[in-house]
Amino acid sequence: GDSVTQMEGPVTLSEEAFLTINCTYTATGYPSLFWYVQYPGEGLQLLLKATKADDKGSNKGFEATYRKETTSFHLEKGSVQVSDSAVYFCALSDRGGADGLTFGKGTHLIIQP
Amino acid sequence: KAGVTQTPRYLIKTRGQQVTLSCSPISGHRSVSWYQQTPGQGLQFLFEYFSETQRNKGNFPGRFSGRQFSNSRSEMNVSTLELGDSALYLCASSLPGPEDTQYFGPGTRLTVL
Repeated sequence: GDSVTQMEGPVTLSEEAFLTINCTYTATGYPSLFWYVQYPGEGLQLLLKATKADDKGSNKGFEATYRKETTSFHLEKGSVQVSDSAVYFCALSDRGGADGLTFGKGTHLIIQP
Repeated sequence: KAGVTQTPRYLIKTRGQQVTLSCSPISGHRSVSWYQQTPGQGLQFLFEYFSETQRNKGNFPGRFSGRQFSNSRSEMNVSTLELGDSALYLCASSLPGPEDTQYFGPGTRLTVL
């Protein structure tokens, strides 16, 4: 079945550091890929998405490129802020979302001032 | 446009009881999905409803059920609660169609004592 693997952390960085959170996936079809962010006590917020190979999703300084050859969708940001501290989830939607989203375990990101 | 709303936000129940959670999707969204989030298992797909019909179901026992009303609002019910049902239950809505992005509500925190 489908699966998503991501580093779980916690990942601790200093403010203004460069961020990479790795995400790789296994899917039977041609999935859409997503990054969601969860702040303490809240639900999931869509951060960015990509629906086909070589697409780049971007939002709020975050970027991720759909790499079919390496089955990856790594999240990057050039300069993180304390307000970026949260849990980040990589997810895929296969078969038009018929089986729901498949999530990774989540990466807890801590940004220190 | 208002986001996905879930009620109640917090619930405390005892083993053996049953519980009903409610979800109102974004206006115009007709697909509603439910997910369970626990520290051990992460985010897991429960089921998805579209036009009052359950289209797909995840790997959960029959104690977990749901329904959708003609206005697209959805409820999920858990009967004979167990301690392991303690979790954050998230509802997500999306437009009908393939690969459509799911937008999440804030969740209902269920604690089973």
